Amino acid sequence: AQSVTQLGSHVSVSEGALVLLRCNYSSSVPPYLFWYVQYPNQGLQLLLKYTTGATLVKGINGFEAEFKKSETSFHLTKPSAHMSDAAEYFCAVSNAGNNRKLIWGLGTSLAVNP
Amino acid sequence: DSGVTQTPKHLITATGQRVTLRCSPRSGDLSVYWYQQSLDQGLQFLIQYYNGEERAKGNILERFSAQQFPDLHSELNLSSLELGDSALYFCASSSPDRGLYEQYFGPGTRLTVT
Repeated sequence: AQSVTQLGSHVSVSEGALVLLRCNYSSSVPPYLFWYVQYPNQGLQLLLKYTTGATLVKGINGFEAEFKKSETSFHLTKPSAHMSDAAEYFCAVSNAGNNRKLIWGLGTSLAVNP
Repeated sequence: DSGVTQTPKHLITATGQRVTLRCSPRSGDLSVYWYQQSLDQGLQFLIQYYNGEERAKGNILERFSAQQFPDLHSELNLSSLELGDSALYFCASSSPDRGLYEQYFGPGTRLTVT
């Protein structure tokens, strides 16, 4: 069965610093991987996705993630944090069956300090 | 704007009551998902419908039920409400038939049970 682990339920960075949010997954089949962001009192918004092809995926708002099969990881990074990046971030993996239900991590709350 | 709409935005009701939440998926999306998000439980998958048929069930209580209509909109019915049902309820849609497995979320319905 698929599962997702997000290391660190809370991450705090200074404005302008590197953002690194960790996601590890387990999957018996090639996974499809997603990162979503949730701003306060809003729905989840797709940041980026990996399905096949290039393992470094670029998303919106300057975020990117790299699929590393050997490490079963899909960490989210941004070179320079902005105050507006403060939000909850969710990693998800989709199984390969007909259903392709998303399995969600518990989320990481990112705080950006001035 | 994800293209997924949910009504109502807010709902306040008393314990023991029954409510209906409504979701309209993005144009062309056949699959609809319902999620519950609370502070203590995080994001919980409830149920998925695909083109009118139930496709997957998650942590959905027996007091809850859902359906997807021929025009693809969906309703989530919550009955015999308890204080613990207070949460944000999200609807999401996707197009797995077109090989697009990412889900697009609506803005949510905030349910408060008093």
